[in-house]
Amino acid sequence: SQQGEEDPQALSIQEGENATMNCSYKTSINNLQWYRQNSGRGLVHLILIRSNEREKHSGRLRVTLDTSKKSSSLLITASRAADTASYFCATDGDTGGFKTIFGAGTRLFVKA
Amino acid sequence: SQTIHQWPATLVQPVGSPLSLECTVEGTSNPNLYWYRQAAGRGLQLLFYSVGIGQISSEVPQNLSASRPQDRQFILSSKKLLLSDSGFYLCAYGTSVRTQYFGPGTRLTVL
Repeated sequence: SQQGEEDPQALSIQEGENATMNCSYKTSINNLQWYRQNSGRGLVHLILIRSNEREKHSGRLRVTLDTSKKSSSLLITASRAADTASYFCATDGDTGGFKTIFGAGTRLFVKA
Repeated sequence: SQTIHQWPATLVQPVGSPLSLECTVEGTSNPNLYWYRQAAGRGLQLLFYSVGIGQISSEVPQNLSASRPQDRQFILSSKKLLLSDSGFYLCAYGTSVRTQYFGPGTRLTVL
């Protein structure tokens, strides 16, 4: 079964607003990552949060992790049209560390 | 610096034809290598991964195969393509077990 599942599936906001995407997973993890994919391109790693961390920041990105609820959120503040992309969470799960399991993604559209 | 190359960018093939997609990595040694397939508007499906030369793990039984003839080369193949093989194929490498770095992808259309 799929390890990470994002919510919502699609999100449309105005430029300048904040965008929040959520991810839920099923098994214990060592870390959780967020990736971004522009249409027709490869994925780009955004941020990694370890299981013993609760919050992490990178520029306009803020990631939280709640291992008790098996969930994570990605907040993009002051969104820009260039943030339009799909965002995926990914976990290592019970994979021995070699594999990363990706969710189905949230498609974010930022209107200028 | 590390880079990953993947080609071709797009490919249109008839049903029953063979397939060979190549991925190469520069600037790192003994990376973990991965092949994913992505259906339109969907997440990534892990097809194969490799932790070393000649070591291939298959995640999904199907008519695809993978090989790693050199440390930084990963090849995805098929002897006979099916319509259901259409999709966006992504190669990735990981220098640690955590973060993966992706190539630009190959858009495969089987007609």
